[in-house]
Amino acid sequence: DGGITQSPKYLFRKEGQNVTLSCEQNLNHDAMYWYRQDPGQGLRLIYYSQIVNDFQKGDIAEGYSVSREKKESFPLTVTSAQKNPTAFYLCASSIPRVGEAFFGQGTRLTVV
Amino acid sequence: AQKITQTQPGMFVQEKEAVTLDCTYDTSDQSYGLFWYKQPSSGEMIFLIYQGSYDEQNATEGRYSLNFQKARKSANLVISASQLGDSAMYFCAMREVTGTYKYIFGTGTRLKVLA
Repeated sequence: DGGITQSPKYLFRKEGQNVTLSCEQNLNHDAMYWYRQDPGQGLRLIYYSQIVNDFQKGDIAEGYSVSREKKESFPLTVTSAQKNPTAFYLCASSIPRVGEAFFGQGTRLTVV
Repeated sequence: AQKITQTQPGMFVQEKEAVTLDCTYDTSDQSYGLFWYKQPSSGEMIFLIYQGSYDEQNATEGRYSLNFQKARKSANLVISASQLGDSAMYFCAMREVTGTYKYIFGTGTRLKVLA
């Protein structure tokens, strides 16, 4: 079945550590996105990529980094520079220009 | 700049009744798409319905319909015959067809269906 897989589902990080969230899709979509969700604030765009080896900052990119070396994969690294990383992270993909975004199941990151 | 506004943080509806969730948007683009998603407590985002800016007819998908009023820049979601399983967060989103193609989301409305 085609879809988007995010792993892990739950992630705990100590303060000062970097952590990488995985996102893999087999939908053959060119575009991929990372969103952060906090209670009462909806989904905010962190980074997006329209094509392999290219990506752009979203509205809240500070403290995050991404790579897009393969069409299928768009990992997100939460660095120690991110001051409040505890949140629910959603990865999505789509065909550029048309159609809806397809989402993964999300990763809940907690800083302990 | 693009913006989506959902002014209802929470809504209640009686089972089997209809409910309207409000969404207004702002964009300078002539060509864009509007989307509604449902997010149950599990966290997954479920696509419900889509409306293109040039579509003359309001979109419908089963019990979901989108009341599109372009001049008012509103794209309200109507759920008919509410079911207990409709209890969830609902997000309105927009995507411009030109430019960056990114999706912008509202803050959501939490719907609770009462038995």
